[in-house]
Amino acid sequence: GAVVSQHPSWVICKSGTSVKIECRSLDFQATTMFWYRQFPKQSLMLMATSNEGSKATYEQGVEKDKFLINHASLTLSTLTVTSAHPEDSSFYICSASGDPFYSNQPQHFGDGTRLSIL
Amino acid sequence: GESVGLHLPTLSVQEGDNSIINCAYSNSASDYFIWYKQESGKGPQFIIDIRSNMDKRQGQRVTVLLNKTVKHLSLQIAATQPGDSAVYFCAENIRGGGNKLTFGTGTQLKVEL
Repeated sequence: GAVVSQHPSWVICKSGTSVKIECRSLDFQATTMFWYRQFPKQSLMLMATSNEGSKATYEQGVEKDKFLINHASLTLSTLTVTSAHPEDSSFYICSASGDPFYSNQPQHFGDGTRLSIL
Repeated sequence: GESVGLHLPTLSVQEGDNSIINCAYSNSASDYFIWYKQESGKGPQFIIDIRSNMDKRQGQRVTVLLNKTVKHLSLQIAATQPGDSAVYFCAENIRGGGNKLTFGTGTQLKVEL
């Protein structure tokens, strides 16, 4: 149980392109989804928290107009990197958890999206 | 603890030996802790969790120990196998913070045959 699917797994595109990444919870309802960025040999950096039906909460230093997050249903959240540039190249990972009313729940992660901007 | 760091610490063990991976956290308000395993090119995989009202929890071949006095968490892997080679992260959840996690720096575990 608790499977999270992330798509696509790898994207290569030209500078200036907008890229959409999907995150789906396959066998549970994810009230909350999280988006992380990870550089090589480093830890996960939380970018934003999205709750179904409301605006995402962005971490300090993350441009909300650059990284658009939509969490329209209990099983789907999307991250759109707008007008991507080479410095946006990274490994993006999503995770999902259940109802935040119930504390102490683990996050379940997708397998990440490798984004390469040429 | 804070996810700061440019270099992953590495732990090398012989196949069949026990592994101990350590993690220090800084926030005394953290009440829930998780260990994740991340293989190359993949997302983190849940291994085991522990709540702050416990000192020890065991799973299959894994044990997590929590010492709240010194804010220290450890993951013990018994009879380490080649498939255990990965990066291991501890993560903490602060009481009242929803399910938001703060990740540690990570430790690269290398299992030598």
